[in-house]
Amino acid sequence: GAVVSQHPSWVICKSGTSVKIECRSLDFQATTMFWYRQFPKQSLMLMATSNEGSKATYEQGVEKDKFLINHASLTLSTLTVTSAHPEDSSFYICSARIGQRGPQHFGDGTRLSIL
Amino acid sequence: GNSVTQMEGPVTLSEEAFLTINCTYTATGYPSLFWYVQYPGEGLQLLLKATKADDKGSNKGFEATYRKETTSFHLEKGSVQVSDSAVYFCALSDWNQGGKLIFGQGTELSVKP
Repeated sequence: GAVVSQHPSWVICKSGTSVKIECRSLDFQATTMFWYRQFPKQSLMLMATSNEGSKATYEQGVEKDKFLINHASLTLSTLTVTSAHPEDSSFYICSARIGQRGPQHFGDGTRLSIL
Repeated sequence: GNSVTQMEGPVTLSEEAFLTINCTYTATGYPSLFWYVQYPGEGLQLLLKATKADDKGSNKGFEATYRKETTSFHLEKGSVQVSDSAVYFCALSDWNQGGKLIFGQGTELSVKP
Protein backbone atom coordinates (compact mmCIF):
# COMPACT_ATOMS: atom_id res chain seq x y z
CA GLY A 1 0.00 0.00 0.00
CA ALA A 2 0.79 3.72 -0.01
CA VAL A 3 2.16 3.85 -3.53
CA VAL A 4 3.07 7.17 -5.10
CA SER A 5 3.67 7.29 -8.83
CA GLN A 6 5.67 10.06 -10.45
CA HIS A 7 5.80 10.67 -14.18
CA PRO A 8 7.92 11.08 -16.21
CA SER A 9 10.95 9.50 -14.60
CA TRP A 10 13.36 11.25 -16.94
CA VAL A 11 12.94 14.20 -19.27
CA ILE A 12 15.37 16.05 -21.48
CA CYS A 13 14.27 19.23 -23.19
CA LYS A 14 15.52 22.42 -24.71
CA SER A 15 16.02 25.62 -22.80
CA GLY A 16 12.90 27.80 -22.78
CA THR A 17 10.36 25.00 -22.81
CA SER A 18 7.95 24.18 -19.99
CA VAL A 19 7.89 20.77 -18.38
CA LYS A 20 5.08 19.21 -16.38
CA ILE A 21 5.69 16.52 -13.77
CA GLU A 22 2.82 14.50 -12.34
CA CYS A 23 2.56 12.98 -8.88
CA ARG A 24 -0.22 10.49 -8.17
CA SER A 25 -1.20 8.63 -5.05
CA LEU A 26 -2.37 5.29 -6.43
CA ASP A 27 -4.07 3.61 -3.50
CA PHE A 28 -4.91 6.39 -1.08
CA GLN A 29 -6.19 9.94 -1.05
CA ALA A 30 -3.70 12.65 -0.24
CA THR A 31 -4.92 16.00 0.98
CA THR A 32 -1.34 17.17 1.11
CA MET A 33 1.51 16.55 -1.28
CA PHE A 34 5.02 17.94 -1.19
CA TRP A 35 7.55 18.80 -3.88
CA TYR A 36 11.28 18.51 -3.28
CA ARG A 37 14.40 19.20 -5.26
CA GLN A 38 17.58 17.21 -4.80
CA PHE A 39 21.03 18.05 -6.12
CA PRO A 40 23.64 15.30 -6.60
CA LYS A 41 24.98 13.91 -3.35
CA GLN A 42 22.79 16.26 -1.34
CA SER A 43 19.71 16.09 0.79
CA LEU A 44 16.18 16.99 -0.25
CA MET A 45 15.13 20.61 -0.30
CA LEU A 46 11.43 21.27 0.20
CA MET A 47 10.11 23.52 -2.54
CA ALA A 48 6.42 23.71 -1.73
CA THR A 49 3.50 22.14 0.06
CA SER A 50 0.53 21.37 -2.14
CA ASN A 51 -2.94 21.19 -0.64
CA GLU A 52 -5.90 19.87 -2.59
CA GLY A 53 -8.22 22.63 -3.71
CA SER A 54 -6.07 25.52 -2.53
CA LYS A 55 -2.94 27.38 -3.48
CA ALA A 56 0.41 25.83 -2.80
CA THR A 57 2.62 27.15 -0.03
CA TYR A 58 6.13 27.86 -1.31
CA GLU A 59 9.29 27.82 0.74
CA GLN A 60 11.39 30.92 0.96
CA GLY A 61 13.48 31.48 -2.14
CA VAL A 62 11.36 29.32 -4.45
CA GLU A 63 9.87 31.26 -7.35
CA LYS A 64 6.12 30.73 -7.55
CA ASP A 65 5.91 31.81 -11.17
CA LYS A 66 8.74 29.51 -12.13
CA PHE A 67 7.46 26.40 -10.40
CA LEU A 68 3.70 26.19 -10.84
CA ILE A 69 1.92 23.68 -8.64
CA ASN A 70 -1.61 22.44 -9.10
CA HIS A 71 -3.36 19.99 -6.79
CA ALA A 72 -6.71 19.54 -8.48
CA SER A 73 -7.75 16.26 -6.92
CA LEU A 74 -7.01 14.11 -3.89
CA THR A 75 -4.79 11.85 -5.96
CA LEU A 76 -2.94 14.18 -8.31
CA SER A 77 -0.55 17.09 -7.96
CA THR A 78 1.46 18.56 -10.82
CA LEU A 79 4.62 20.64 -10.91
CA THR A 80 5.26 22.69 -14.03
CA VAL A 81 8.72 24.15 -14.53
CA THR A 82 8.07 27.12 -16.77
CA SER A 83 10.59 28.43 -19.29
CA ALA A 84 13.15 25.96 -18.03
CA HIS A 85 16.86 26.78 -18.16
CA PRO A 86 19.94 24.64 -17.54
CA GLU A 87 20.12 25.74 -13.90
CA ASP A 88 16.71 24.11 -13.36
CA SER A 89 18.23 20.72 -14.16
CA SER A 90 17.84 18.58 -11.07
CA PHE A 91 16.11 15.59 -9.52
CA TYR A 92 12.56 16.47 -8.48
CA ILE A 93 10.75 14.26 -5.99
CA CYS A 94 7.17 14.40 -4.78
CA SER A 95 5.60 12.89 -1.70
CA ALA A 96 2.07 12.37 -0.48
CA ARG A 97 0.88 12.25 3.08
CA ILE A 98 -1.79 9.97 4.41
CA GLY A 99 -4.18 11.90 6.60
CA GLN A 100 -3.18 14.90 8.64
CA ARG A 101 -0.35 13.28 10.58
CA GLY A 102 0.69 10.25 8.60
CA PRO A 103 4.16 9.67 7.19
CA GLN A 104 5.07 10.96 3.76
CA HIS A 105 5.39 8.42 0.95
CA PHE A 106 7.64 9.32 -1.94
CA GLY A 107 7.55 8.92 -5.68
CA ASP A 108 10.57 7.63 -7.56
CA GLY A 109 11.58 11.08 -8.71
CA THR A 110 11.96 12.84 -12.05
CA ARG A 111 15.36 13.62 -13.48
CA LEU A 112 15.09 16.84 -15.45
CA SER A 113 17.85 17.83 -17.84
CA ILE A 114 17.63 21.13 -19.67
CA LEU A 115 19.95 21.53 -22.64
CA GLY B 1 14.66 26.23 14.46
CA ASN B 2 14.33 22.51 13.93
CA SER B 3 17.26 20.62 12.44
CA VAL B 4 18.66 17.14 11.92
CA THR B 5 22.33 16.17 11.92
CA GLN B 6 23.62 12.85 10.65
CA MET B 7 27.06 11.32 10.72
CA GLU B 8 29.00 11.96 7.59
CA GLY B 9 29.51 9.28 5.03
CA PRO B 10 30.37 7.36 3.11
CA VAL B 11 30.28 4.44 5.49
CA THR B 12 31.88 1.31 4.10
CA LEU B 13 31.28 -2.05 5.79
CA SER B 14 31.81 -5.68 5.02
CA GLU B 15 28.81 -7.95 4.67
CA GLU B 16 27.42 -9.14 8.04
CA ALA B 17 29.02 -6.25 9.92
CA PHE B 18 27.11 -4.24 12.53
CA LEU B 19 25.77 -0.90 11.36
CA THR B 20 25.18 2.30 13.28
CA ILE B 21 24.31 5.60 11.64
CA ASN B 22 24.07 8.40 14.15
CA CYS B 23 21.30 10.96 14.01
CA THR B 24 20.61 13.80 16.41
CA TYR B 25 17.95 16.43 16.20
CA THR B 26 16.98 19.84 17.49
CA ALA B 27 13.30 20.60 17.88
CA THR B 28 11.20 23.03 19.85
CA GLY B 29 8.21 20.71 20.12
CA TYR B 30 7.63 16.96 20.11
CA PRO B 31 8.44 15.79 16.61
CA SER B 32 7.96 12.45 14.93
CA LEU B 33 11.19 10.89 13.70
CA PHE B 34 11.81 8.90 10.55
CA TRP B 35 14.48 7.02 8.65
CA TYR B 36 14.18 6.96 4.88
CA VAL B 37 16.34 5.02 2.43
CA GLN B 38 17.18 6.06 -1.13
CA TYR B 39 18.56 3.60 -3.66
CA PRO B 40 20.46 4.99 -6.66
CA GLY B 41 18.25 6.87 -9.08
CA GLU B 42 15.12 6.37 -7.01
CA GLY B 43 12.92 8.28 -4.63
CA LEU B 44 12.84 7.73 -0.88
CA GLN B 45 11.31 4.78 0.89
CA LEU B 46 10.13 4.97 4.46
CA LEU B 47 12.24 2.56 6.47
CA LEU B 48 10.91 3.11 9.98
CA LYS B 49 9.41 5.72 12.25
CA ALA B 50 8.78 6.64 15.86
CA THR B 51 6.24 9.13 17.06
CA LYS B 52 7.08 9.63 20.73
CA ALA B 53 9.88 9.28 23.23
CA ASP B 54 11.13 5.74 23.89
CA ASP B 55 9.31 4.37 20.84
CA LYS B 56 11.36 1.91 18.84
CA GLY B 57 10.82 1.74 15.11
CA SER B 58 11.90 -1.41 13.29
CA ASN B 59 11.74 -2.84 9.80
CA LYS B 60 13.78 -5.28 7.69
CA GLY B 61 16.27 -5.81 10.53
CA PHE B 62 16.84 -2.09 11.03
CA GLU B 63 15.81 -0.39 14.23
CA ALA B 64 16.01 3.00 15.89
CA THR B 65 14.87 4.27 19.30
CA TYR B 66 13.52 7.76 19.91
CA ARG B 67 15.71 9.10 22.75
CA LYS B 68 14.40 12.39 24.03
CA GLU B 69 17.07 12.77 26.70
CA THR B 70 19.87 12.64 24.12
CA THR B 71 17.75 13.99 21.22
CA SER B 72 18.88 11.06 19.13
CA PHE B 73 17.44 8.51 16.73
CA HIS B 74 20.39 6.32 15.74
CA LEU B 75 19.83 3.67 13.05
CA GLU B 76 21.19 0.18 13.73
CA LYS B 77 21.29 -3.18 12.02
CA GLY B 78 22.97 -6.26 13.38
CA SER B 79 24.17 -7.75 10.09
CA VAL B 80 24.22 -5.73 6.88
CA GLN B 81 23.91 -7.13 3.39
CA VAL B 82 25.22 -5.90 0.06
CA SER B 83 21.62 -5.01 -0.85
CA ASP B 84 21.55 -2.50 2.03
CA SER B 85 23.91 -0.23 0.10
CA ALA B 86 22.03 3.05 -0.29
CA VAL B 87 21.76 6.54 1.14
CA TYR B 88 19.97 6.80 4.47
CA PHE B 89 18.18 9.96 5.58
CA CYS B 90 17.09 10.79 9.09
CA ALA B 91 14.18 13.21 9.28
CA LEU B 92 11.84 14.86 11.71
CA SER B 93 8.33 16.14 11.29
CA ASP B 94 6.99 18.87 13.52
CA TRP B 95 3.22 19.00 13.44
CA ASN B 96 3.33 22.55 14.79
CA GLN B 97 4.89 23.48 11.47
CA GLY B 98 2.40 21.74 9.25
CA GLY B 99 4.15 18.40 9.32
CA LYS B 100 6.96 19.40 6.99
CA LEU B 101 9.82 16.96 6.89
CA ILE B 102 13.24 18.27 7.82
CA PHE B 103 16.00 16.00 6.55
CA GLY B 104 19.52 15.36 7.64
CA GLN B 105 22.21 15.51 4.99
CA GLY B 106 22.07 11.78 4.29
CA THR B 107 24.63 9.06 4.93
CA GLU B 108 25.83 6.87 2.10
CA LEU B 109 26.33 3.23 3.05
CA SER B 110 28.39 0.88 0.93
CA VAL B 111 28.46 -2.80 1.88
CA LYS B 112 31.16 -4.95 0.31
CA PRO B 113 30.86 -8.73 -0.16
